[in-house]
Amino acid sequence: DTAVSQTPKYLVTQMGNDKSIKCEQNLGHDTMYWYKQDSKKFLKIMFSYNNKELIINETVPNRFSPKSPDKAHLNLHINSLELGDSAVYFCASSHGQASGNTIYFGEGSWLTVV
Amino acid sequence: TQLLEQSPQFLSIQEGENLTVYCNSSSVFSSLQWYRQEPGEGPVLLVTVVTGGEVKKLKRLTFQFGDARKDSSLHITAAQPGDTGLYLCAGARGSNYQLIWGAGTKLIIKP
Repeated sequence: DTAVSQTPKYLVTQMGNDKSIKCEQNLGHDTMYWYKQDSKKFLKIMFSYNNKELIINETVPNRFSPKSPDKAHLNLHINSLELGDSAVYFCASSHGQASGNTIYFGEGSWLTVV
Repeated sequence: TQLLEQSPQFLSIQEGENLTVYCNSSSVFSSLQWYRQEPGEGPVLLVTVVTGGEVKKLKRLTFQFGDARKDSSLHITAAQPGDTGLYLCAGARGSNYQLIWGAGTKLIIKP
């Protein structure tokens, strides 16, 4: 069983389109995250939710809107896609909010904007 | 500003060699984690070090947390091709909910 699963794994889309990436975790965790990993492999947090409430919102364009319908799901919707949005987006989860807790990552969603 | 500096950024060595990669900061961390990310996958936790001077071993991998809890090292003995991947360190700072991530060391072990 996949602990943190995200779909789609690959997404190629044109500039200006709107797209969503879905994420689900079956670990019973109460905290979920979205990370962006750029071409240089630098991993940067975008959002963090605890019990469906937003607790971290980094400097991310408001074209990115996360939605957490319940503790097990955290989806990412991106409006008006730009070339610079091309990256790998990782969903992750952890038990509790403390920064020292283990983070479990999904396999990533490779987004290419053309 | 990169709070966690990892070095080297890239390392390519032959199977059987030993290597050390570093994770350095001027900041103190309450704990530090090492993750390995294989191509096409998400990062996976290898170890968490908490106490200054702590040494943890995971088979051929030895992790050390600096005495002042500002830096850490990962030493691999007799590297294998299966050790290939991106090694990321991440530091936790007390009650702050965010992990501070290094930029990673890309390691390639050639057969």
